[in-house]
Amino acid sequence: DQQVKQNSPSLSVQEGRISILNCDYTNSMFDYFLWYKKYPAEGPTFLISISSIKDKNEDGRFTVFLNKSAKHLSLHIVPSQPGDSAVYFCAARVTGNQFYFGTGTSLTVIP
Amino acid sequence: NAGVTQTPKFRILKIGQSMTLQCAQDMNHNYMYWYRQDPGMGLKLIYYSVGAGITDKGEVPNGYNVSRSTTEDFPLRLELAAPSQTSVYFCASSSGQNLYEQYFGPGTRLTVT
Repeated sequence: DQQVKQNSPSLSVQEGRISILNCDYTNSMFDYFLWYKKYPAEGPTFLISISSIKDKNEDGRFTVFLNKSAKHLSLHIVPSQPGDSAVYFCAARVTGNQFYFGTGTSLTVIP
Repeated sequence: NAGVTQTPKFRILKIGQSMTLQCAQDMNHNYMYWYRQDPGMGLKLIYYSVGAGITDKGEVPNGYNVSRSTTEDFPLRLELAAPSQTSVYFCASSSGQNLYEQYFGPGTRLTVT
């Protein structure tokens, strides 16, 4: 049973425009949410996180929004750059340090 | 500072064979994790450790064993390999101060035939 879901396997965006990646979850006990970025043949790298008690966290071009009532979070990348082309994973943590990952969204930024 | 290193990068096993995937980190992180990623799927947690001598099961622990005798090393043991264990295995670590930022190794691609 997939507790963290990314329903869009892929997304294409023009360079300079906004990229919006979405993630839904089912477990209301998640206390922290994270986004990771992964290039082929490499391990994921941490991008940004948000606590369940917040609704927004911003770091440079990356902003994560959390809507707890809808059990939904999104990652906004503005402006998108070709180097942002990668697979993005949403992840969530339950107390006890167990992390659950989504299936990923492949972002392509077109120059 | 090498970060998280994993060996080997690739391995082909026959059904029923055993092997150990090695993972080491040089960041003095207390927390270490093993994940597997099947094609088209997200990462699934196999085992994790909160410090030397302490390990716990994740979401998919069956068919695997771990040990944590030092802070630096967290090997994953596969006994009696099965085709269902064909996957890419990632090791990760995080510090006690920032649990949520996990640093991942480059992965080990394992095929069981």
